[in-house]
Amino acid sequence: DIQMTQSPASLSASLGETVTIECRASEDIYNGLAWYQQKPGKSPQLLIYNANSLHTGVPSRFSGSGSGTQYSLKINSLQSEDVASYFCQQYYDYPYTFGAGTKLELK
Amino acid sequence: QVQLKESGPGLVQPSQTLSLTCTVSGFSLTSYHVSWVRQPPGKGLEWMGVIWTGGSTAYNSLLKSRLSISRDISKSQVFLKMNSLQTEDTATYYCARDGLPGYPNWFAYWGQGTLVTVSS
Repeated sequence: DIQMTQSPASLSASLGETVTIECRASEDIYNGLAWYQQKPGKSPQLLIYNANSLHTGVPSRFSGSGSGTQYSLKINSLQSEDVASYFCQQYYDYPYTFGAGTKLELK
Repeated sequence: QVQLKESGPGLVQPSQTLSLTCTVSGFSLTSYHVSWVRQPPGKGLEWMGVIWTGGSTAYNSLLKSRLSISRDISKSQVFLKMNSLQTEDTATYYCARDGLPGYPNWFAYWGQGTLVTVSS
Protein backbone atom coordinates (compact mmCIF):
# COMPACT_ATOMS: atom_id res chain seq x y z
CA ASP A 1 0.00 0.00 0.00
CA ILE A 2 1.14 3.58 -0.63
CA GLN A 3 1.76 5.44 2.62
CA MET A 4 0.96 9.15 2.82
CA THR A 5 2.92 11.17 5.38
CA GLN A 6 1.34 14.55 6.05
CA SER A 7 2.88 17.43 8.00
CA PRO A 8 2.46 19.28 10.22
CA ALA A 9 -0.19 17.56 12.31
CA SER A 10 -1.36 20.94 13.57
CA LEU A 11 -0.77 24.51 12.57
CA SER A 12 -1.57 27.85 14.12
CA ALA A 13 -1.57 30.93 11.88
CA SER A 14 -2.83 34.50 11.82
CA LEU A 15 -5.45 36.00 9.54
CA GLY A 16 -3.88 37.09 6.26
CA GLU A 17 -0.93 34.76 6.66
CA THR A 18 0.17 32.17 4.08
CA VAL A 19 0.27 28.55 5.24
CA THR A 20 1.66 25.43 3.61
CA ILE A 21 0.81 21.80 4.30
CA GLU A 22 3.00 19.01 2.97
CA CYS A 23 2.28 15.46 1.93
CA ARG A 24 4.84 12.83 1.01
CA ALA A 25 4.00 9.56 -0.69
CA SER A 26 6.00 6.37 -0.13
CA GLU A 27 6.33 5.99 -3.92
CA ASP A 28 5.70 8.02 -7.04
CA ILE A 29 1.97 8.72 -7.39
CA TYR A 30 2.24 10.63 -10.67
CA ASN A 31 0.14 13.58 -9.50
CA GLY A 32 -2.74 11.33 -8.45
CA LEU A 33 -3.31 13.45 -5.37
CA ALA A 34 -6.27 15.34 -3.93
CA TRP A 35 -6.65 17.72 -1.00
CA TYR A 36 -9.79 17.93 1.13
CA GLN A 37 -11.02 20.38 3.75
CA GLN A 38 -13.13 19.12 6.62
CA LYS A 39 -14.90 21.31 9.15
CA PRO A 40 -16.12 19.88 12.46
CA GLY A 41 -19.20 17.72 12.06
CA LYS A 42 -19.11 17.97 8.27
CA SER A 43 -18.03 15.69 5.48
CA PRO A 44 -14.75 16.35 3.62
CA GLN A 45 -14.92 18.78 0.71
CA LEU A 46 -12.68 18.55 -2.33
CA LEU A 47 -10.26 21.46 -2.80
CA ILE A 48 -7.61 20.27 -5.26
CA TYR A 49 -7.31 17.29 -7.61
CA ASN A 50 -4.55 16.08 -9.90
CA ALA A 51 -2.16 17.75 -7.44
CA ASN A 52 -2.71 21.27 -8.78
CA SER A 53 -6.23 21.62 -10.27
CA LEU A 54 -8.65 23.78 -8.32
CA HIS A 55 -12.08 22.23 -7.84
CA THR A 56 -15.07 24.26 -9.00
CA GLY A 57 -16.10 26.92 -6.54
CA VAL A 58 -12.96 26.72 -4.39
CA PRO A 59 -11.42 30.16 -3.67
CA SER A 60 -8.27 30.94 -5.63
CA ARG A 61 -6.28 31.48 -2.41
CA PHE A 62 -6.00 27.69 -2.31
CA SER A 63 -3.37 26.12 -4.55
CA GLY A 64 -1.64 22.78 -4.91
CA SER A 65 1.74 21.84 -6.25
CA GLY A 66 4.25 19.04 -6.37
CA SER A 67 5.18 15.95 -8.30
CA GLY A 68 6.58 12.49 -7.78
CA THR A 69 6.37 11.81 -4.07
CA GLN A 70 6.24 15.38 -2.68
CA TYR A 71 3.12 17.55 -2.71
CA SER A 72 1.91 20.65 -0.94
CA LEU A 73 -1.22 22.69 -0.34
CA LYS A 74 -0.85 26.44 0.07
CA ILE A 75 -3.43 28.80 1.48
CA ASN A 76 -2.75 32.45 0.75
CA SER A 77 -4.19 35.23 2.88
CA LEU A 78 -5.74 32.98 5.52
CA GLN A 79 -9.40 33.67 6.27
CA SER A 80 -11.37 32.74 9.38
CA GLU A 81 -13.48 30.29 7.36
CA ASP A 82 -10.32 28.32 6.51
CA VAL A 83 -10.12 26.98 10.07
CA ALA A 84 -10.56 23.27 9.47
CA SER A 85 -8.70 19.99 9.09
CA TYR A 86 -7.01 19.23 5.80
CA PHE A 87 -6.29 15.80 4.32
CA CYS A 88 -4.33 14.65 1.33
CA GLN A 89 -5.31 11.50 -0.55
CA GLN A 90 -3.61 9.46 -3.24
CA TYR A 91 -5.78 7.85 -5.90
CA TYR A 92 -2.96 6.64 -8.13
CA ASP A 93 -3.45 3.10 -6.89
CA TYR A 94 -5.82 1.05 -4.76
CA PRO A 95 -6.14 0.97 -1.87
CA TYR A 96 -6.66 4.72 -1.82
CA THR A 97 -4.84 6.15 1.18
CA PHE A 98 -5.08 9.40 3.10
CA GLY A 99 -2.65 11.49 5.07
CA ALA A 100 -3.29 11.68 8.81
CA GLY A 101 -4.52 15.25 8.50
CA THR A 102 -3.52 18.77 9.52
CA LYS A 103 -5.61 20.76 11.97
CA LEU A 104 -5.43 24.46 11.13
CA GLU A 105 -6.28 26.96 13.85
CA LEU A 106 -6.14 30.73 14.16
CA LYS A 107 -3.43 32.27 16.26
CA GLN B 1 -27.79 17.76 -8.59
CA VAL B 2 -25.51 15.02 -7.30
CA GLN B 3 -26.40 13.74 -3.85
CA LEU B 4 -25.39 10.80 -1.70
CA LYS B 5 -27.03 9.91 1.59
CA GLU B 6 -26.04 7.19 4.02
CA SER B 7 -28.52 5.41 6.24
CA GLY B 8 -28.33 2.65 8.78
CA PRO B 9 -28.38 1.83 12.48
CA GLY B 10 -26.59 4.21 14.79
CA LEU B 11 -25.77 1.46 17.27
CA VAL B 12 -24.45 -2.03 16.64
CA GLN B 13 -23.51 -4.62 19.23
CA PRO B 14 -20.04 -6.12 19.24
CA SER B 15 -19.63 -9.19 17.01
CA GLN B 16 -22.74 -8.23 15.02
CA THR B 17 -23.01 -7.24 11.36
CA LEU B 18 -23.25 -3.65 10.15
CA SER B 19 -25.50 -2.90 7.18
CA LEU B 20 -25.46 0.54 5.60
CA THR B 21 -27.17 1.95 2.53
CA CYS B 22 -25.98 4.81 0.34
CA THR B 23 -28.81 6.26 -1.74
CA VAL B 24 -27.61 8.38 -4.63
CA SER B 25 -29.28 10.80 -7.00
CA GLY B 26 -28.22 12.97 -9.92
CA PHE B 27 -26.07 10.27 -11.54
CA SER B 28 -26.06 6.61 -12.48
CA LEU B 29 -24.15 3.90 -10.64
CA THR B 30 -23.22 2.53 -14.07
CA SER B 31 -21.32 5.72 -14.85
CA TYR B 32 -19.41 6.51 -11.63
CA HIS B 33 -17.54 4.47 -9.05
CA VAL B 34 -18.74 4.78 -5.45
CA SER B 35 -16.54 4.16 -2.42
CA TRP B 36 -17.06 3.79 1.30
CA VAL B 37 -14.76 5.78 3.60
CA ARG B 38 -14.85 5.82 7.38
CA GLN B 39 -13.51 8.11 10.09
CA PRO B 40 -13.22 7.17 13.77
CA PRO B 41 -14.07 10.04 16.12
CA GLY B 42 -11.29 12.61 16.11
CA LYS B 43 -9.16 10.60 13.70
CA GLY B 44 -8.31 10.40 10.02
CA LEU B 45 -9.99 8.93 6.97
CA GLU B 46 -9.80 5.29 5.90
CA TRP B 47 -10.83 4.08 2.48
CA MET B 48 -12.80 0.86 2.87
CA GLY B 49 -13.70 -0.25 -0.62
CA VAL B 50 -15.25 0.61 -3.96
CA ILE B 51 -17.89 -0.69 -6.31
CA TRP B 52 -16.97 0.06 -9.87
CA THR B 53 -19.34 0.98 -12.66
CA GLY B 54 -19.31 -2.58 -13.97
CA GLY B 55 -20.27 -3.97 -10.56
CA SER B 56 -16.86 -5.34 -9.55
CA THR B 57 -15.47 -4.43 -6.17
CA ALA B 58 -12.14 -3.78 -4.49
CA TYR B 59 -11.51 -3.71 -0.78
CA ASN B 60 -8.97 -2.44 1.70
CA SER B 61 -6.93 -5.53 2.53
CA LEU B 62 -7.26 -4.75 6.25
CA LEU B 63 -11.05 -5.14 6.00
CA LYS B 64 -11.42 -7.54 3.08
CA SER B 65 -12.29 -10.61 5.15
CA ARG B 66 -15.20 -8.81 6.86
CA LEU B 67 -16.47 -6.44 4.18
CA SER B 68 -18.89 -6.70 1.27
CA ILE B 69 -20.09 -3.94 -1.04
CA SER B 70 -22.97 -4.39 -3.46
CA ARG B 71 -25.56 -2.29 -5.26
CA ASP B 72 -29.08 -2.12 -6.67
CA ILE B 73 -28.92 -0.05 -9.83
CA SER B 74 -32.71 0.26 -10.16
CA LYS B 75 -32.92 1.78 -6.70
CA SER B 76 -29.71 3.84 -7.05
CA GLN B 77 -28.38 2.29 -3.86
CA VAL B 78 -25.01 1.01 -2.75
CA PHE B 79 -24.79 -1.31 0.23
CA LEU B 80 -22.07 -1.98 2.78
CA LYS B 81 -22.04 -5.05 4.97
CA MET B 82 -19.31 -5.64 7.50
CA ASN B 83 -19.34 -8.48 10.01
CA SER B 84 -17.68 -9.20 13.33
CA LEU B 85 -17.82 -5.57 14.45
CA GLN B 86 -15.62 -4.43 17.32
CA THR B 87 -15.45 -1.19 19.29
CA GLU B 88 -12.66 0.06 17.02
CA ASP B 89 -15.15 0.03 14.14
CA THR B 90 -16.95 2.94 15.79
CA ALA B 91 -16.78 5.67 13.18
CA THR B 92 -18.63 7.97 10.83
CA TYR B 93 -19.17 6.09 7.60
CA TYR B 94 -19.28 8.02 4.34
CA CYS B 95 -20.07 7.06 0.79
CA ALA B 96 -18.29 9.11 -1.85
CA ARG B 97 -18.40 9.40 -5.64
CA ASP B 98 -15.52 9.75 -8.03
CA GLY B 99 -15.19 13.07 -9.80
CA LEU B 100 -14.97 11.74 -13.31
CA PRO B 101 -16.49 8.68 -14.95
CA GLY B 102 -14.52 5.64 -15.98
CA TYR B 103 -11.19 5.57 -14.21
CA PRO B 104 -10.24 5.83 -10.53
CA ASN B 105 -9.93 9.41 -9.37
CA TRP B 106 -10.68 11.87 -6.61
CA PHE B 107 -13.83 12.09 -4.50
CA ALA B 108 -15.82 15.05 -5.78
CA TYR B 109 -19.00 14.26 -3.83
CA TRP B 110 -19.50 12.94 -0.34
CA GLY B 111 -22.53 11.95 1.65
CA GLN B 112 -23.24 13.60 4.98
CA GLY B 113 -21.98 10.55 6.82
CA THR B 114 -23.62 8.33 9.40
CA LEU B 115 -22.17 7.70 12.84
CA VAL B 116 -22.06 4.06 13.84
CA THR B 117 -21.28 3.22 17.45
CA VAL B 118 -20.27 -0.32 18.37
CA SER B 119 -21.28 -0.94 21.94
CA SER B 120 -23.21 -3.38 24.07
